[in-house]
Amino acid sequence: SQELEQSPQSLIVQEGKNLTINCTSSKTLYGLYWYKQKYGEGLIFLMMLQKGGEEKSHEKITAKLDEKKQQSSLHITASQPSHAGIYLCGADIGNFNKFYFGSGTKLNVKP
Amino acid sequence: GAVVSQHPSRVICKSGTSVKIECRSLDFQATTMFWYRQFPKQSLMLMATSNEGSKATYEQGVEKDKFLINHASLTLSTLTVTSAHPEDSSFYICSARRVEGEAYEQYFGPGTRLTVT
Repeated sequence: SQELEQSPQSLIVQEGKNLTINCTSSKTLYGLYWYKQKYGEGLIFLMMLQKGGEEKSHEKITAKLDEKKQQSSLHITASQPSHAGIYLCGADIGNFNKFYFGSGTKLNVKP
Repeated sequence: GAVVSQHPSRVICKSGTSVKIECRSLDFQATTMFWYRQFPKQSLMLMATSNEGSKATYEQGVEKDKFLINHASLTLSTLTVTSAHPEDSSFYICSARRVEGEAYEQYFGPGTRLTVT
C-alpha cells in the first residue's frame, strides 16, 4: 500500500551483522504488526505494537513504534541465515478499519 | 491463540469456472474480515474489507462482480472468484479481526493458492 512505506526493499547482510527495517506512514498507525513470510506461504507473526514509544523484543528481534505512531522499525541483532525471508509491516492506518501492508523487505543473510 | 483457517489450501480450476474460498475464525467471532491477494514477489494487496451482515468494501481497482465476498456469519467469510481466468491465479490470504474493548488483534489464515488453467 502507498499508505505504508517500507524500506529497504531488499537487504543482503553478512551473518552476525545487525540490520534495521523501517515502516513509515504519513497517518497515525493503529496497531502496527510485523510479520515474516516466504512468498506464497502463510505469515509468521513476529510482534505487535500499539502504544506510542512502545518497544518489544523477542530473541534477537526488536521492534519499536515512535511516539507519534507513524513510524516503526524492526531491528535484528547478530543476524543468522535463519533470519532470511520477507519481512512485512502491516497496520490499521488512520483508524479506518482497514489493514494494509507495506511493500515488504527481502532479507538475505550470507553465512 | 486464535486460529483462522482457509479452505482449500490449493485449488486448480479451468478458465471460465468459479471457485469459492472459505475463511473461518475457529475460536472467536470476527465482525470484520479482510481479503488479500499476493502476486509473485510482491506484498499483500488488500482487496476488500468484509463486515458481517453488510456489503463488503472493495479497494480501488478490485472488481466487485469478479470477486464476490460474503460474510454471512461472525465466523465465516467467503471469496468467490467468478469466471476465473489465468490472470486470477494468485495467492489469496484472509484475515479476521478480533476486537476486545477498544483494542483489536489481527489473525491471518494460511492462504489459498489458486491456479487457473
